[in-house]
Amino acid sequence: NAGVTQTPKFQVLKTGQSMTLQCAQDMNHNSMYWYRQDPGMGLRLIYYSASEGTTDKGEVPNGYNVSRLNKREFSLRLESAAPSQTSVYFCASRAGTSGLRELFFGEGSRLTVL
Amino acid sequence: AQSVAQPEDQVNVAEGNPLTVKCTYSVSGNPYLFWYVQYPNRGLQFLLKYITGDNLVKGSYGFEAEFNKSQTSFHLKKPSALVSDSALYFCAVRDPASGTYKYIFGTGTRLKVLA
Repeated sequence: NAGVTQTPKFQVLKTGQSMTLQCAQDMNHNSMYWYRQDPGMGLRLIYYSASEGTTDKGEVPNGYNVSRLNKREFSLRLESAAPSQTSVYFCASRAGTSGLRELFFGEGSRLTVL
Repeated sequence: AQSVAQPEDQVNVAEGNPLTVKCTYSVSGNPYLFWYVQYPNRGLQFLLKYITGDNLVKGSYGFEAEFNKSQTSFHLKKPSALVSDSALYFCAVRDPASGTYKYIFGTGTRLKVLA
C-alpha cells in the first residue's frame, strides 16, 4: 500500500527559483495538508484542503500556493524560493469529515534553498 | 486559539524503566488529542488518540496516554522502555469548536532510551 506519496524527496534550489512539491494519496481521503518541519519549531501548517475544491491557509502560508487538483492530489508551489523556505515538507491526509480521524503522513521532501 | 506545548526537548530513560513524555494543550472547547512518532528520515506515524470517553487510551507499540482535563494535559507513557522506542514524539490537538480542520502540533520531544 502506497499511502501518501511525495515527490521529489530531495531538491536544491537557488534563491528566486520556483518549484512544485507533489503529493498524492490512494486512500480516498477527503482532507489533505501541507506542513513544514524545522528544528525546534515542530510541524507548522502551511495550507490544508478540507475537501476537493477547497483550500485554506494555515499558520505559515506566505510564499506558498497550493492546488487541490483532484481528490487524490494536493500540490505545494514555491513561486520564488527564499533561504527561509529551507525545510522538510510533509504532506498528510485524513479520512472522513468529522476531524476525529488521525493524519497519515508522507515520507517528506527535503528542500534546500541556497 | 488552540496550542500545544511539549515542555521537554529531550527525555532520557534507561531501557526497562517507565517513560513519560509530557504534553499540555489550550483549546476553547473539548479537544481531540493525538500522539505521533517520527523515526529518522521518515514521516510521522500515528500512535494513539483521545476523542472522548475513558481518560486512559492505549495505542501502538505498548504506548498509552492519560487525558487530564483539569490539568489540560495528555502525557504519553510506557511501562517499560525499549531502545527501539528512541525517536521524536509529537503531540497534536484539534479543537472541534474552532470550525476548522486544523491540527496543531507541538515542537516535539526527542526520546532517548539508553541500553
